[in-house]
Amino acid sequence: DSGVTQTPKHLITATGQRVTLRCSPRSGDLSVYWYQQSLDQGLQFLIQYYNGEERAKGNILERFSAQQFPDLHSELNLSSLELGDSALYFCASSLTTRNEQFFGPGTRLTVL
Amino acid sequence: AQSVTQLGSHVSVSEGALVLLRCNYSSSVPPYLFWYVQYPNQGLQLLLKYTSAATLVKGINGFEAEFKKSETSFHLTKPSAHMRDAAEYFCAVSVWGIMKTSYDKVIFGPGTSLSVIP
Repeated sequence: DSGVTQTPKHLITATGQRVTLRCSPRSGDLSVYWYQQSLDQGLQFLIQYYNGEERAKGNILERFSAQQFPDLHSELNLSSLELGDSALYFCASSLTTRNEQFFGPGTRLTVL
Repeated sequence: AQSVTQLGSHVSVSEGALVLLRCNYSSSVPPYLFWYVQYPNQGLQLLLKYTSAATLVKGINGFEAEFKKSETSFHLTKPSAHMRDAAEYFCAVSVWGIMKTSYDKVIFGPGTSLSVIP
């Protein structure tokens, strides 16, 4: 158990819908990262927050947004969902931007 | 630009044989380096990390890796493969911004899928 929790574990929805994925980092960790993992694209970095501030953006679509709240939990919002958004979404946390990341168990999103 | 390459997207070894997974990085400053393992339907788990102390790093499950600055490599090895080692392995480099920590970032390699043949 990494100490990072993600909810829900599984999510099935339809095209055009909007979903919110939630992540609670390890106690004491200030950095939160979001990744998308699919068979054809591999592990893709989406976005990073540090103590509530956006620090880095990767291959995140404009339809996706995220935030980190004062209690350090984070949410990833995916809207206007397409079939191609079906993937595993991982959240990770670290003490600082230079330390190892601890990954949550992931949310498996299926868009039908 | 910083990058991480993993030679071989798929590696197969026989049970009991040596495991060697290759990782090369490019970085203009001394990096931190990590190896992660991902078992099916699970998140990534840290195997080991190099943080500029000893160049030979020992990790969990009998794995170790050696940092070679001259070769910009951080290959992962295990003397004897076990069936439970079958998984995806990711090498990652932590690159630090010179002036500001806001320029820090972690770059993951594409991963190597390890199969262990009984």
